[in-house]
Amino acid sequence: DAKTTQPPSMDCAEGRAANLPCNHSTISGNEYVYWYRQIHSQGPQYIIHGLKNNETNEMASLIITEDRKSSTLILPHATLRDTAVYYCIVRRNYGGSQGNLIFGKGTKLSVKP
Amino acid sequence: DTAVSQTPKYLVTQMGNDKSIKCEQNLGHDTMYWYKQDSKKFLKIMFSYNNKELIINETVPNRFSPKSPDKAHLNLHINSLELGDSAVYFCASSLRDGTGELFFGEGSRLTVL
Repeated sequence: DAKTTQPPSMDCAEGRAANLPCNHSTISGNEYVYWYRQIHSQGPQYIIHGLKNNETNEMASLIITEDRKSSTLILPHATLRDTAVYYCIVRRNYGGSQGNLIFGKGTKLSVKP
Repeated sequence: DTAVSQTPKYLVTQMGNDKSIKCEQNLGHDTMYWYKQDSKKFLKIMFSYNNKELIINETVPNRFSPKSPDKAHLNLHINSLELGDSAVYFCASSLRDGTGELFFGEGSRLTVL
């Protein structure tokens, strides 16, 4: 699976949009971009995923560049409960080991009052 | 109802002992996983099971053995525990092997003394 690069940490003011970048310059055409987050002492939580079109759900928006080499997760109105480590993962939707979620170091997002 | 539940949440034991962690999912998913998160917070996949069949073993020592009595359960047995086995173990499930989102349990913190 392609590797991803994320900043180790970011701060965001409560109520403002949090924009978390991810680089995946070696992504191949059949690989999806997934975002998960892990709030302290909890299991990872799925946020959103996409292939090439921008995606939005009740939690966040995912913006993927046209060349698919990078993406941005947007939390439109960050709250203190959004403080977590956010993981950007590139993954093929295949069976077996090719479909594994491989977690990197992620970005620790701190939302401040 | 908790979607993916693990027991126990905390486990403290001596080196050399044998212990088990249980996992159950009530989502009707076909695939279940075990992940290990070490003290440096890296999340690594250990096993995945699809319809009671092991499909991945990511070079985990054979002291670790997953057992799946049915597709709603995937238990993790660990023999001859070592200090380095201290970690948080997460169970997860997905609808199908290698596709879609994973749902994680809350984790089981194992401490080996």
